[in-house]
Amino acid sequence: TQLLEQSPQFLSIQEGENLTVYCNSSSVFSSLQWYRQEPGEGPVLLVTVVTGGEVKKLKRLTFQFGDARKDSSLHITAAQPGDTGLYLCAGAKGGATNKLIFGTGTLLAVQP
Amino acid sequence: EPEVTQTPSHQVTQMGQEVILRCVPISNHLYFYWYRQILGQKVEFLVSFYNNEISEKSEIFDDQFSVERPDGSNFTLKIRSTKLEDSAMYFCATSLKTGTGRAGELFFGEGSRLTVL
Repeated sequence: TQLLEQSPQFLSIQEGENLTVYCNSSSVFSSLQWYRQEPGEGPVLLVTVVTGGEVKKLKRLTFQFGDARKDSSLHITAAQPGDTGLYLCAGAKGGATNKLIFGTGTLLAVQP
Repeated sequence: EPEVTQTPSHQVTQMGQEVILRCVPISNHLYFYWYRQILGQKVEFLVSFYNNEISEKSEIFDDQFSVERPDGSNFTLKIRSTKLEDSAMYFCATSLKTGTGRAGELFFGEGSRLTVL
């Protein structure tokens, strides 16, 4: 069974703080996607990382794919209340389908 | 921006009833998926569909579940005889292609909440 463990599960921080969310697995993935999900809505894609060691930036969000393509991290700089939400990593094995294995999720609350 | 649309947004049904959830994919996408998320749990893969065939399904997707694309636009998930444990958010997702890179990215609908009483 392929598992993606995210840590921490919950994070409550003050506006302006930095934070890092981790996504770890013992399996190798061909790509890894990060999503943000609001309550009662579907996951919204933030970024896809494909190459081991790849770093992608999306404004204040920095995503990194591990060298061995088994883990990833999301770093948010100067968090804002609008960053509040559930962050999900999802790994793809590629091949004939793009079945995603979702992580356990990190619920982030940024207090003003 | 193109989006995946799902109906209904919420359906309440009695145990044992049939339910059909509908999804309109992004127009040029070729690969379709259903995922579900039980309240408080992680998003789980149910099935992938391409060229009018199931390409992969999970253990959750048993004989009570079926998918089809009857009219070339809507992609449907049918649950023949609902059980209490089928209560969940069901998400449709679509992608242009498979494989790595931008073309293989999945785009999710807003979900259909199914409540089985």
